[in-house]
Amino acid sequence: EADIYQTPRYLVIGTGKKITLECSQTMGHDKMYWYQQDPGMELHLIHYSYGVNSTEKGDLSSESTVSRIRTEHFPLTLESARPSHTSQYLCASRAFEGVLTFGAGSRLTVL
Amino acid sequence: KQEVTQIPAALSVPEGENLVLNCSFTDSAIYNLQWFRQDPGKGLTSLLLIQSSQREQTSGRLNASLDKSSGRSTLYIAASQPGDSATYLCAVFYNYGQNFVFGPGTRLSVLP
Repeated sequence: EADIYQTPRYLVIGTGKKITLECSQTMGHDKMYWYQQDPGMELHLIHYSYGVNSTEKGDLSSESTVSRIRTEHFPLTLESARPSHTSQYLCASRAFEGVLTFGAGSRLTVL
Repeated sequence: KQEVTQIPAALSVPEGENLVLNCSFTDSAIYNLQWFRQDPGKGLTSLLLIQSSQREQTSGRLNASLDKSSGRSTLYIAASQPGDSATYLCAVFYNYGQNFVFGPGTRLSVLP
């Protein structure tokens, strides 16, 4: 059973709202990642972190921001949601040289 | 540019068949390679991780091989079952990279 948790699993929200997608892992992994995936499409890396107070943007330009204040917690925030942000957001973590473990995902719909 | 491709894009087989999914990568300087399974609307489940020094890994009915020199990995599924229906993705971590590079996936349907 995966030890990485994402909340909410599903969110429907209106345009202009601020949202935060939560991601927590109990495995003590240093490396954490956020991916964006549209239905039936490829995964795109949007943010990653190699440890506390370390965050980097990924390959896909994103209007979201992340923070890493605690090892186990890596939230993603959209300051002003738009319909183009509708997608599935997947959080993952790994130890050095280890298996990349994913959460169940957060499916966001912006009306 | 680092690229990972997967062939075929989709595959439909009758239950009980043995099948092979292919993953190709453009650079042999890989650190490790991981196979995942994804069910519709869900996250990814790790199946097998192969380090660059390994030739293959096995878990139950699954066997993954790695040939760095030819830039290929294969996932072999024995005695397929309808419950194996899902999208299978491979991801490569390069020696000089910072993150995994994902393939587009193979969508597998196993018919009862």
